[in-house]
Amino acid sequence: QVQLQQWGAGLLKPSETLSLTCGVYGGSFSGYYWSWIRQPPGEGLEWIGEISHTGSTNYNPSLKSRVTISVDTSKNQLSLKLNSVTAADTAVYYCARDNGGGSAFDIWGQGTMVTVSS
Amino acid sequence: QSALTQPASVSGSPGQSITISCTGTSSDVGGYNYVSWYQQHPGKAPKLMIYEVSTRPSGVSNRFSGSKSGNTASLTISGLQAEDEADYYCSSYTSSSTLVFGTGTKVTVL
Repeated sequence: QVQLQQWGAGLLKPSETLSLTCGVYGGSFSGYYWSWIRQPPGEGLEWIGEISHTGSTNYNPSLKSRVTISVDTSKNQLSLKLNSVTAADTAVYYCARDNGGGSAFDIWGQGTMVTVSS
Repeated sequence: QSALTQPASVSGSPGQSITISCTGTSSDVGGYNYVSWYQQHPGKAPKLMIYEVSTRPSGVSNRFSGSKSGNTASLTISGLQAEDEADYYCSSYTSSSTLVFGTGTKVTVL
């Protein structure tokens, strides 16, 4: 079955760039949209943005100026970069697969806790 | 884009039914049949429970059902069980080709 495995730096200083990668294993990368979603400690879910296997992207307007999502289809990986981070970007970050049912995420990564602190 | 509005908490006794509402606008919930619901236990990734307003993924109990009327979607859990105690989030596709989540609801089984 398809599994998503995430990795990336978990501790950043203010103004640095957050960088996470999500690998797709055991299934097709093509034909799906893939999203990044985050959840600050004790708070709700926030959609960051999505990318198709062809590289077409959509972003949350509130984060669009700082976010870049990219794909490497040769490695079945997607990546997230968020620049100029602040403490407000401290959260668990998830990658997830859209099952094609109108932005419904049926497979999730394990989550990566990212802390921004000086 | 503003988060969809959900009640902060809902509770019920085992065996009872509860309903969680998710209110948006005509630009999201009311405009598309692309409402999903997620269950999240502490420290775990969310789990898809309903998509396209009322469709259950394979393996999800038929005690979970979804519906929509106007700008408000609803998730009903029937025959409430202790394992249903969790946080629940709705989400909707929007007219800006983005996605918005709800504020989240904590379900407590009394």
